[in-house]
Amino acid sequence: EVVLTQSPGTLSLSPGDRATLSCRASQSVNNNLLLWYQQKPGQAPRLLMYDVFTRMSGTPDRFTGSGSGTDFTLTISSLEPEDFGVYYCQHFDFSLFTFGQGTRLEIK
Amino acid sequence: QVHLLESGPGLVKASQTLSLTCDISGDSVSNRGDAWNWLRQSPSRGLEWLGSIYFRSQWFRKYGTSAESRVTINPDTSRNQFSLEVKSVTPDDTAMYFCARGRHNGFDCWGQGILVIVSS
Repeated sequence: EVVLTQSPGTLSLSPGDRATLSCRASQSVNNNLLLWYQQKPGQAPRLLMYDVFTRMSGTPDRFTGSGSGTDFTLTISSLEPEDFGVYYCQHFDFSLFTFGQGTRLEIK
Repeated sequence: QVHLLESGPGLVKASQTLSLTCDISGDSVSNRGDAWNWLRQSPSRGLEWLGSIYFRSQWFRKYGTSAESRVTINPDTSRNQFSLEVKSVTPDDTAMYFCARGRHNGFDCWGQGILVIVSS
């Protein structure tokens, strides 16, 4: 089972800053099966990005996914107030879905 | 617009069976292009996929490894729902439980979640 490790645990930034969130897999991710979610307090996670870099409808283009192999990054080019929350990466392989432990993006 | 809604008891006694239902609107549990999933989230275990059910000329089920032997997911085509049962629960099964539609090898539409507390 692939283990996903996200860093940092917490990221404190201001609106307008650039955010870089990391997700590292314990084994190479096949077929770009790496996704990103955003979760706000009291809400379910929301799918932002799939296949590493494909944005869901409604995901602003300030969000960019990148990476390959075992190292993946979600970059938010210029933070908006609504971007703060917890971000999770997720992998699918051998019929199993696994999540990282999350990065909390908070307002500085 | 797809909408999912979880329902069931919010309190279950240890050793009993946790039973939840997910109502689907705007899509069909029998849609051959989709899978229907249960996940849970707790501070101790994070986000955890429990299992899924999907129809591809017949019904298939897949379960996660953590609670595989205790979890059962079933469809109810007459009500356009699917259900979750977790047997022999312990306080460690206390979590927010979500149902979600599976697409893009992830989960593109989620219910609001239901908090289930297992009392000892």
